[in-house]
Amino acid sequence: DIVMTQSPDSLAVSLGERATINCKSSQSVLYSSNNKNYLAWYQQKPGQPPKLLIYWASTRESGVPERFSGSGSGTDFTLTISSLQAEDVAVYSCQQHYTTPHFGQGTKVEIK
Amino acid sequence: EVQLVESGGGLVKPGGSLRLSCEASGFIFSGAWMSWVRQAPGKGLEWVGRIKSKSDGETTEYAAPVKGRFTVSRDDSKNTLSLQMNSLKTEDTAVYYCTTGSVLSGFLFDYWGQGTLVSVSS
Repeated sequence: DIVMTQSPDSLAVSLGERATINCKSSQSVLYSSNNKNYLAWYQQKPGQPPKLLIYWASTRESGVPERFSGSGSGTDFTLTISSLQAEDVAVYSCQQHYTTPHFGQGTKVEIK
Repeated sequence: EVQLVESGGGLVKPGGSLRLSCEASGFIFSGAWMSWVRQAPGKGLEWVGRIKSKSDGETTEYAAPVKGRFTVSRDDSKNTLSLQMNSLKTEDTAVYYCTTGSVLSGFLFDYWGQGTLVSVSS
């Protein structure tokens, strides 16, 4: 199994500032035949189901604001919120969909 | 608009059984690969199991903690996904979500239901 580990577990960021979340996989999730990283990011607001934000490590889902961006390749990935808004308070989880899926433990983003 | 509505959750004793349902609308259910994902209270997300479309053999796969106890099935005539849970354990307590697998990648979950809570306790 490919296991995902996120850091930090939580972070508090001032409105308008940058938030950065890291995600590491126990093995590479880069599929050589199509050069795609099978890594997704989800946002889960309190009392709601998760929402797909980013897939292929860096492709935003339709309707997702441009302040959300994903980067990385192989085993190390990052989700960045360039300018935190109040509505971004949520838990963010990475997930590998290269093999039997595994999610990171989640990172709680709050307003400082 | 894609809608996934789960039902069937509740309180059950350890060793008991429960059957969850997910009613789907707004997309071609028969062509979709469907999964169940759960979330224990205050914990992260955990994939439970998946069923492919009939045209892809209706193959099922399960996470190790539930293999042999849970069964995913589908009724394309009713646009309904089911999860039969037997020999339930306290650690199965969670909100269970019905999800669609993206056409881009079967284990990429692009739509989620609101979830149904299963509590296993004596």
